[in-house]
Amino acid sequence: AQSVTQLGSHVSVSEGALVLLRCNYSSSVPPYLFWYVQYPNQGLQLLLKYTSAATLVKGINGFEAEFKKSETSFHLTKPSAHMSDAAEYFCAVSEPISSGSARQLTFGSGTQLTVLP
Amino acid sequence: GAGVSQSPSNKVTEKGKDVELRCDPISGHTALYWYRQSLGQGLEFLIYFQGNSAPDKSGLPSDRFSAERTGGSVSTLTIQRTQQEDSAVYLCASSLDWWTLQETQYFGPGTRLLVL
Repeated sequence: AQSVTQLGSHVSVSEGALVLLRCNYSSSVPPYLFWYVQYPNQGLQLLLKYTSAATLVKGINGFEAEFKKSETSFHLTKPSAHMSDAAEYFCAVSEPISSGSARQLTFGSGTQLTVLP
Repeated sequence: GAGVSQSPSNKVTEKGKDVELRCDPISGHTALYWYRQSLGQGLEFLIYFQGNSAPDKSGLPSDRFSAERTGGSVSTLTIQRTQQEDSAVYLCASSLDWWTLQETQYFGPGTRLLVL
């Protein structure tokens, strides 16, 4: 069974400060990992994904994440926060339940990012 | 190009009524997913369609929920005899194929359902 844990349901940073959103996963097989962002009253938008190639993944809007197998983590970072980064962020994992079964995403509970002026 | 679209964007209904939610996936995408986003449960998988194969219904919470996908494109999620706990945002996503684990799922804006 797969699961995702996002530590911190709310994170506040000052504009220009480092953003660090934490994600840990549990999976019985090598997973694929995703970060999505959700702005108010909108759907989910993919920020980046890890698909077993490079462990450091760069995404849109200056975000990146590093896959660390030993720590079962996939934390999201951005060197300098911008006001427009304020949104809810979801980490997700995908793995087959069994051969030929669904490839649905299992999501973490989300982290609401607030950027302070 | 056009993304995933969903209708209606908002739906208010009375307890016990049936509702239908519609999803138009990205053209050419063979995989289609329904998720539910609620305050108490977060984002949950509901059902998944892969090409012309039988759907994976393992995430549906009760037999009041059903979905179909006509012609491999548009999908309708139906909730019969709605209950207040069905109030949530229902999200639809599609992806280019279903056999590739890392294939990106593109999400629609969701339908916000409120059951009074």
